[in-house]
Amino acid sequence: EPEVTQTPSHQVTQMGQEVILRCVPISNHLYFYWYRQILGQKVEFLVSFYNNEISEKSEIFDDQFSVERPDGSNFTLKIRSTKLEDSAMYFCASSSDGDTQYFGPGTRLTVL
Amino acid sequence: EDKVVQSPLSLVVHEGDTVTLNCSYEVTNFRSLLWYKQEKKAPTFLFMLTSSGIEKKSGRLSSILDKKELFSILNITATQTGDSAVYLCAVVGSGGSNYKLTFGKGTLLTVNP
Repeated sequence: EPEVTQTPSHQVTQMGQEVILRCVPISNHLYFYWYRQILGQKVEFLVSFYNNEISEKSEIFDDQFSVERPDGSNFTLKIRSTKLEDSAMYFCASSSDGDTQYFGPGTRLTVL
Repeated sequence: EDKVVQSPLSLVVHEGDTVTLNCSYEVTNFRSLLWYKQEKKAPTFLFMLTSSGIEKKSGRLSSILDKKELFSILNITATQTGDSAVYLCAVVGSGGSNYKLTFGKGTLLTVNP
C-alpha cells in the first residue's frame, strides 16, 4: 500500500540554524500539507500546497518557513533560522482529493 | 475560526467494553469530518464522513455524522488492548483549493487487559 515517507525521523539542531525536512508524498496525489504537533498539544496546520503553489498558510507559517516541490516526488519544508519553540513533530500529508489526507511518520525536530 | 472539541479527553476501559468518543465542530463551509488513530507517531486514517446519518463501519469501529447538530461519534465495540491510542477528530472546511484539517485535542483511550 502506498504511503507517505519522511526523512529524517529525528533532527537535532542548534538555535539559529537552518533545517530542511523532506517528504515523499503518495505518487498520484495532488495536495500536499505540512502540520506540526508540539509535545502534548494538538496537531496544527502549517501550510497547504496545490498546483505548485501555496494555497493556504497559517499564522505559524511566517517568513522563516518555506516549502518547495523541487522535483516530481519530493516536498520539503525549510525553516531558515530555527527557534526553541520550533521544537515539535512535523508531519507531511498528501491527498488525491483534498479531503482524505494521509500522514507520514513525522520528523521530530529538537532545537537546542 | 474553525473549531473541533472532543470528549472525553481521556478514557480507561477494560478489554471487551464498548466505548463512544464524541466530536463536535464549528467550521466554515463544511466539507468532511475525519477520524484518525494516533498510536506513537503519525495519525492513521480511519473514516471520512460527509453525509449525515450514514454509518461508516470497519470491523469493530463505526462512526456517524450529524450535520444538523454538528457532531460525530466514533464507536468501538469489544475493545482490545491494541485499541489503546489517541483518537483524533478533524474537519475539512473549504475555500477554493484550501482543504486544511482542523484537529481536536484528541481522546486518549486506554484499554486494560
